[in-house]
Amino acid sequence: QKEVEQNSGPLSVPEGAIASLNCTYSDRGSQSFFWYRQYSGKSPELIMSIYSNGDKEDGRFTAQLNKASQYVSLLIRDSQPSDSATYLCAVNSGGGATNKLIFGTGTLLAVQP
Amino acid sequence: DADVTQTPRNRITKTGKRIMLECSQTKGHDRMYWYRQDPGLGLRLIYYSFDVKDINKGEISDGYSVSRQAQAKFSLSLESAIPNQTALYFCATSDRTSGAHTQYFGPGTRLTVT
Repeated sequence: QKEVEQNSGPLSVPEGAIASLNCTYSDRGSQSFFWYRQYSGKSPELIMSIYSNGDKEDGRFTAQLNKASQYVSLLIRDSQPSDSATYLCAVNSGGGATNKLIFGTGTLLAVQP
Repeated sequence: DADVTQTPRNRITKTGKRIMLECSQTKGHDRMYWYRQDPGLGLRLIYYSFDVKDINKGEISDGYSVSRQAQAKFSLSLESAIPNQTALYFCATSDRTSGAHTQYFGPGTRLTVT
């Protein structure tokens, strides 16, 4: 079982719609959860971080965390063509201060104009 | 100016050559990381360093070595490059004192081994 799993996609949504990206993880001791956006050939860019169960909103982005289900998601409202990218879920592993992140393989999002 | 820089940005080399990739940061972070990214395999950790005297192997360290010359500099070496080391390489940094585990990435080095 992979430590961090994402559907590779592509996830295709029309412009203006809500894009929903999902991620599951295996380490119950994980405390920190991240969503990175990566354009083709570019470096990962931090979009959201979440540490507590529930929702966290930042502009058009909402991260949702459910530790009991070991599930984290990212919602993108009013999707724009510029949101088309690969979204990487990352989860800290090892507990405490080890500060290693385990990355999923990413979900490719395509927003259709 | 970018907070995390990598040199070179692109490199083509031949099998058997030694090559060094360099990473510098001005973020003042104590922790630095080297990842490689291959299509379909995501980001995989090669080495990480929590301070100048603390260097650790990641999940795919074979064929690689690192040097932490200063808090701000972390270099990755391929002693004898082979074609399956062709990949996109990223350096990242994080700050222990923030407690947040957030990592910030450099722009990447595209390495091709022929």
